[in-house]
Amino acid sequence: DGGITQSPKYLFRKEGQNVTLSCEQNLNHDAMYWYRQDPGQGLRLIYYSQIVNDFQKGDIAEGYSVSREKKESFPLTVTSAQKNPTAFYLCASSIFGQGWMNTEAFFGQGTRLTVV
Amino acid sequence: AQKVTQAQTEISVVEKEDVTLDCVYETRDTTYYLFWYKQPPSGELVFLIRRNSFDEQNEISGRYSWNFQKSTSSFNFTITASQVVDSAVYFCALSDINNDMRFGAGTRLTVKP
Repeated sequence: DGGITQSPKYLFRKEGQNVTLSCEQNLNHDAMYWYRQDPGQGLRLIYYSQIVNDFQKGDIAEGYSVSREKKESFPLTVTSAQKNPTAFYLCASSIFGQGWMNTEAFFGQGTRLTVV
Repeated sequence: AQKVTQAQTEISVVEKEDVTLDCVYETRDTTYYLFWYKQPPSGELVFLIRRNSFDEQNEISGRYSWNFQKSTSSFNFTITASQVVDSAVYFCALSDINNDMRFGAGTRLTVKP
């Protein structure tokens, strides 16, 4: 079945360690996104990518890094520079078109990261 | 910069009541897209509707209806005859033509039996 797969579902990290969250999609979508969700704050955009080898910072990119070497993959690294990384992370993808071709985003099931 | 405001943090209703979730947006673009998503307890966001900025027709889908008004920059969502299964967090979102998609803070809807 087509969709977006995020792994792992739960992740524990020690303070000071980098950790990478995986996001894979087989929908042949051009655009991919990473959002962070904290209680009461909705979804905040970390990074997004419109095409391979290109990505843009969102509102809260500090302490995070991404890569887009393949169309189907958009991994997110939470670095030790991120002061408060405990959160729920959601990956999404959508068709990237001009004007009227833009579609809704499809979401993965999320990764809950806890720093211990 | 784009911004979406959902002023209602939490709403609680009794089953069969109608409920409206408010969404107000800000953008300087003339072409943009508005969305509503539902997030059940499982966490995955479920797409409900998409609207482009040139289509102000209201839409009805079963018990769901949406009211888009450019004059007030609002895109409100109404659930008629609410059911317990409607309990979830609902997000309004705004996207520009470059697919930069921003979400509101969400409204937690609780429907009591």
